[in-house]
Amino acid sequence: DQQVKQNSPSLSVQEGRISILNCDYTNSMFDYFLWYKKYPAEGPTFLISISSIKDKNEDGRFTVFLNKSAKHLSLHIVPSQPGDSAVYFCAASASGFNKFYFGSGTKLNVKP
Amino acid sequence: EPEVTQTPSHQVTQMGQEVILRCVPISNHLYFYWYRQILGQKVEFLVSFYNNEISEKSEIFDDQFSVERPDGSNFTLKIRSTKLEDSAMYFCAITRTSGNTIYFGEGSWLTVV
Repeated sequence: DQQVKQNSPSLSVQEGRISILNCDYTNSMFDYFLWYKKYPAEGPTFLISISSIKDKNEDGRFTVFLNKSAKHLSLHIVPSQPGDSAVYFCAASASGFNKFYFGSGTKLNVKP
Repeated sequence: EPEVTQTPSHQVTQMGQEVILRCVPISNHLYFYWYRQILGQKVEFLVSFYNNEISEKSEIFDDQFSVERPDGSNFTLKIRSTKLEDSAMYFCAITRTSGNTIYFGEGSWLTVV
């Protein structure tokens, strides 16, 4: 059940630079996408989402881009801060199906 | 502030014992969910619960697992006879009555020995 994939298990970025986290999906029925941030021993925290009717959504330092034709989304964090170091999960859902599919996560390390 | 509170935060149990994990929503909610994450692996869907009955369940959610709302507010996940491979972080989650975002609790870390 690999409907949502995050192919990079880890990413290391210098403080102040851009972090780009990628996510691919296979199910064309997905129409809502979310990003979560997770610290060790805590629950995932909702960051930002995007509907399939948009190709970009921005919230402060976080921007999510959606490329429906490529079935690809990305999360940009600018500028990256050491406190952003965490595991980031992308998730997807389809209207009418109350189930969320998660990627395997990308561990982001922002170096001071 | 998490949308749900979960108890216990950590439980160690012997293989074969029954475990009950509890979840209490803070805000108005539409669906309840249980997810789990085995150490180093992805967050896996277990079950969704709507209007006092199971809406959907995964292959993982076999006869060893059950969910209940015993008093109309608490939402519980019961594992009848725990196995070593049940060791994981179990997350309760909800979607609000408006919107389609899922919000997670802090998790219950289950260790089966």
